[in-house]
Amino acid sequence: QKEVEQNSGPLSVPEGAIASLNCTYSDRGSQSFFWYRQYSGKSPELIMSIYSNGDKEDGRFTAQLNKASQYVSLLIRDSQPSDSATYLCAAISEGSNYKLTFGKGTLLTVNP
Amino acid sequence: ETGVTQSPTHLIKTRGQQVTLRCSSQSGHNTVSWYQQALGQGPQFIFQYYREEENGRGNFPPRFSGLQFPNYSSELNVNALELDDSALYLCASSLDQWDEQYFGPGTRLTVT
Repeated sequence: QKEVEQNSGPLSVPEGAIASLNCTYSDRGSQSFFWYRQYSGKSPELIMSIYSNGDKEDGRFTAQLNKASQYVSLLIRDSQPSDSATYLCAAISEGSNYKLTFGKGTLLTVNP
Repeated sequence: ETGVTQSPTHLIKTRGQQVTLRCSSQSGHNTVSWYQQALGQGPQFIFQYYREEENGRGNFPPRFSGLQFPNYSSELNVNALELDDSALYLCASSLDQWDEQYFGPGTRLTVT
């Protein structure tokens, strides 16, 4: 069973701080990795995709991938109350017929 | 807005009934995937269609079936509904199987 594991949280940070969200995956054949944000009662919204080792920055968000350690992370700088949501990590592997496998998500709360 | 639409928004059905959920993908997206999301869980992969052919399936029984049409629309059919089928059903479209997936707003199904 190919798994994607996330810190269950909840994670609480003060406004303006850096929020760090972590994810590990078990399938070494995983090639593509995604972070989604999901507000309560809404559908997942794509924030970042990352395909190669290293960092990828987009505005206040930085995704980091380490394939050797099978580890993906998302950093949110200058966290805002509007960032409060559940963050879902997901991975695709060719070996699983391109199935997108999700973690259970980490609930982030940013306190004003 | 992702350009992916789903209908209906909410649905209430009785155990044993059948239901059809509909999705309209972004124009040009050849791949559509369907997910079931229970409360507090990450989305679970049901199946994926690529150019109108089923391209992969998760651990769901055969009473979950689907179709993809040439006009970028698709549907999920569930027969013999069970109480545990109550969930948020999400469709997501992508250019190809390994690309970023964009979710529709979802259909909330309640089985009583």
